[in-house]
Amino acid sequence: NAGVTQTPKFRVLKTGQSMTLLCAQDMNHEYMYWYRQDPGMGLRLIHYSVGEGTTAKGEVPDGYNVSRLKKQNFLLGLESAAPSQTSVYFCASHGTGMGTDTQYFGPGTRLTVL
Amino acid sequence: DAKTTQPPSMDCAEGRAANLPCNHSTISGNEYVYWYRQIHSQGPQYIIHGLKNNETNEMASLIITEDRKSSTLILPHATLRDTAVYYCIVRRGGATNKLIFGTGTLLAVQP
Repeated sequence: NAGVTQTPKFRVLKTGQSMTLLCAQDMNHEYMYWYRQDPGMGLRLIHYSVGEGTTAKGEVPDGYNVSRLKKQNFLLGLESAAPSQTSVYFCASHGTGMGTDTQYFGPGTRLTVL
Repeated sequence: DAKTTQPPSMDCAEGRAANLPCNHSTISGNEYVYWYRQIHSQGPQYIIHGLKNNETNEMASLIITEDRKSSTLILPHATLRDTAVYYCIVRRGGATNKLIFGTGTLLAVQP
């Protein structure tokens, strides 16, 4: 099992450009999450999904959109990137049922917006 | 979800036990205590969680006080690879209940 993978690992954008971050998990988890982490701070939830075809807003959703067309994938989109979106982005997935009450995180995507 | 209070940093000698405290005085009866850690530049890693009984797994032990207002994560034999930020999080169980990360405790294991 690869667990949770994220693509790309690094990206530099200019203000106003758009991009999509891809998260994939091979654990058949229902729940998936996107977080951002700014320097010296804890993770903050952007959006999450409780199943294929569903999405919901987290703490800091503005400027981002998400889609969950397939159970194993969760996409995070930036339509018009701003310098304030410079951050490290982490994806996570969460199973359900006995013994699975934990989130598994991907390695992160480092995004710089100039 | 209840808030937690952790010291910003701690040191520990390699090979010794690391004891990381967490206060959660407003915890509710149905809320669990979770511990995650984040090694530099990596995604957070689950360590352990518990409701009211002490818990132990291959990574650590979790000691929760009888009144559940505080807990301690114990790494029995700390190694240099245990240097990380440790997050104590209190939340209800289940995937729909979100993790809320604070700033955690930076544990520095010294050789």
